[in-house]
Amino acid sequence: TQLLEQSPQFLSIQEGENLTVYCNSSSVFSSLQWYRQEPGEGPVLLVTVVTGGEVKKLKRLTFQFGDARKDSSLHITAAQPGDTGLYLCAGARGADGLTFGKGTHLIIQP
Amino acid sequence: DTAVSQTPKYLVTQMGNDKSIKCEQNLGHDTMYWYKQDSKKFLKIMFSYNNKELIINETVPNRFSPKSPDKAHLNLHINSLELGDSAVYFCASSQGFGWAQHFGDGTRLSIL
Repeated sequence: TQLLEQSPQFLSIQEGENLTVYCNSSSVFSSLQWYRQEPGEGPVLLVTVVTGGEVKKLKRLTFQFGDARKDSSLHITAAQPGDTGLYLCAGARGADGLTFGKGTHLIIQP
Repeated sequence: DTAVSQTPKYLVTQMGNDKSIKCEQNLGHDTMYWYKQDSKKFLKIMFSYNNKELIINETVPNRFSPKSPDKAHLNLHINSLELGDSAVYFCASSQGFGWAQHFGDGTRLSIL
């Protein structure tokens, strides 16, 4: 079973600050997906990165896929209270489906 | 319209009982999944079905059995429920393996 290590596990910062969440593995993935989960709901896809070195931007969120396709990062600029939630990275590897990291619990304090 | 819907949302039952959770997707996807999310929010895949065939069967107890009457449905039946089965169970679907997954809102199972 491939493992995805996500860090930090918990992060509480003030509104307006920047943050980065990391997702690392020793395995190569065909793609890396980031999800956000709010209480009482299922995870919702934010982005999929496929190409090594790829960078995708979604408003204040920037996602990067490592050159070797083993790691990824999520950077949030000027965090807002609405960004609060559980962020999950997931690696895809053919018919094995998705392997999820353990998640980062993010709290943005007003 | 809800893309992936699962019922019930809450399920409280006693140890030893048998229960089922239903899942339906209206996205026309070929692949459906069941995940278990524990109290620490770790999502672990249990099963996936592709075109009515079981593709992945992780090391889950055989008390858990997925049943897919058609491509749009993947139900989860659990026999002889145990205390450790308490968790949130999520159904998901995707166009295929490796594609973005669409999740239901979860079924919160509590074993008394």
